[in-house]
Parts: sequence; C-alpha cells; structure tokens
Amino acid sequence: EIVMTQSPATLSVSPGERATLSCRASQSVSSNLAWYQQKPGQAPRLLIYGASTRATGIPARFSGSGSGTEFTLTISSLQSEDFVVYYCQQYNNWLWTFGQGTKVEIK
Amino acid sequence: QVQLVESGGGVVQPGGSLRLSCAASGFTFSTYGMHWVRQAPGKGLEWVTFIRYDGTNKYYADSVKGRFTISRDNSKNTLYLQMNSLRTEDTAVYYCAKGVAAAGITHFDSWGQGTLVTVSS
Repeated sequence: EIVMTQSPATLSVSPGERATLSCRASQSVSSNLAWYQQKPGQAPRLLIYGASTRATGIPARFSGSGSGTEFTLTISSLQSEDFVVYYCQQYNNWLWTFGQGTKVEIK
Repeated sequence: QVQLVESGGGVVQPGGSLRLSCAASGFTFSTYGMHWVRQAPGKGLEWVTFIRYDGTNKYYADSVKGRFTISRDNSKNTLYLQMNSLRTEDTAVYYCAKGVAAAGITHFDSWGQGTLVTVSS
C-alpha cells in the first residue's frame, strides 16, 4: 500500500495570503495524484488531477505541482470559502489511498 | 449533470449486514468504473472498493476484504455495496464516487452526498 502523508495537519493563513500544502508518497506515483477539497458536511470535490491539471470550474488561484513522491497544492490568494480541508490521493495502483488531510484555518 | 444519490444507511448491530445503493444519472453509467469511499466521524477519507464498468473486476481495501462486496446493475444505473460482518470501526459516511474511465486507474470526478452507517449495539 502506498502511504500518503500530508503536511502540515493544520495551516493558519490570513485571507488574501498564499497557502502551500504538501503531500508526500511513500513510493513514486508518477503524476497520478489528485487533490480534493471538502467543506463541512459536504462531499469532497475534485480540484486537481494529474498533479497539476485543474478540474472543470476550479478557480485559477488553485494550482498543483510535483511528480514522483513530492507534491504541492498552492492557493495563491485565500478567499473565505477556501478555509476548509484538503486531501491528496494517489491513483497509481489498484489500491487508491488518501492523505490524512490538511485543514486550512483563518489566522 | 452528473448525479449520484446514496441510500440504505442506518444503524446496525455488530455482526450485522447492510446493503447500500447509489443511483446514478446524468452520464452513461455503464461506461465508467465506480468506487465506494468512506469517512469515519471526524476522520479522513478511506477508499473502500472499486468495480470496473462491466463488473468483471473488483478491488477492495484490506480492511473490508472478505466482508464487503461491490456490485452494479447497469440496466438500473445503480451501484451497490453489500456489507456483512459489520464492526464498530465500519461506522462512517459512505460515498459513491465516479471514475473517469471504464476500467483504468483514475481519480474521481464526481461524488454523491453520502449515507451514514452506524454500527453499534
């Protein structure tokens, strides 16, 4: 099983500032990495796939980068609705795995 | 647009069984792989199981292998999860999620709203 580790667990950022979230895989997943956003009481929503491709309708302030074992989700200027939880997910083999999540909170 | 609606959740005793359903609409259900993902209260996401578009291949997380069975009825546009020998640690919101290909290993582009399963005596 590929273990996905996200850091930090909680990120405190001021509105309008940049947020950088990290995700590390225990072995290479190439670019088979997605990011999801989850608001309280809602289902997750796809933000990024293929490590860097924004999903349909996702604002340009969200960007993804990385390959192999190290990945980053960057939110360039945090809006009020962005202060929620983010998960990375690898889909490089037949056992999909998620990171434990990063909560972005208002500083 | 894509719509996934789960049902069948509820309270069940340890050792009991439950069957979840996921009704799909807004896309050609029979041409996409489908997943179940769960989330324990206050916890993160855990992938549970996957089924190919035609039901011929299925994959399971170790935590549910031998107890849960995924299936689909393409004539009814419905995905199922049969859960047997339920444990307290199976308590979670269960989501169905849509892959982006018929049979390959892909990300999930749509999710249902989830159904809560509570295993308790």
